[in-house]
Amino acid sequence: EVQLVESGGGVVRPGGSLRLSCAASGFTFDDYGMSWVRQAPGKGLEWVSGINWNGGSTGYADSVKGRFTISRDNAKNSLYLQMNSLRAEDTALYYCARCDDRGAFDIWGQGTMVTVSS
Amino acid sequence: EIVMTQSPATLSVSPGERATLSCRASQSVSSNLAWYQQKPGQAPRLLIYGASTRATGIPARFSGSGSGTEFTLTISSLQSEDFAVYYCQQYNNWPTWTFGQGTKVEIK
Repeated sequence: EVQLVESGGGVVRPGGSLRLSCAASGFTFDDYGMSWVRQAPGKGLEWVSGINWNGGSTGYADSVKGRFTISRDNAKNSLYLQMNSLRAEDTALYYCARCDDRGAFDIWGQGTMVTVSS
Repeated sequence: EIVMTQSPATLSVSPGERATLSCRASQSVSSNLAWYQQKPGQAPRLLIYGASTRATGIPARFSGSGSGTEFTLTISSLQSEDFAVYYCQQYNNWPTWTFGQGTKVEIK
């Protein structure tokens, strides 16, 4: 079964850091680009960051540029998001998603919740 | 940055009726446009990619059209399971993507 499972969410104080992970299974991980998408409570979807199959190309939303870093370990079938200098507005459910060869997100995890609060 | 604008914000439709959702891009995205469905408490699900191609397992009552800056998602005859929030997304500018703000389809 094709599956993505996120972990690493939690409660963190403003200015703090957190590292999210996404474990992939059921497909050849290094055949695909991957992305992180977040959804604040009661709000819409916001693309956060994306990475190509080998990590050689990455992109970030302006709202997280300079604070978040996306990476992947193809040997471990895993995607990561290092989040630094967290702000209250980063509070959201964070999804990882697989990018198909056209760029659409065809597989999604169930998400991991990040709460930034003092 | 490409801005995606969806309309209307909320669409009230009776079961069995047709629903038409719109999505506009601030600049051309060619046919690099996807539609997603999200139900409460669930992750989004890919419905349409390439502006008009249904994803695997998506019923034929869902159809997409458009290119450039104007796109439409049509649900030909709404079923109870179709009441949800729908998002468009452009992927013309790898490695950046943008979602619209969503259209909620509710029961009239």
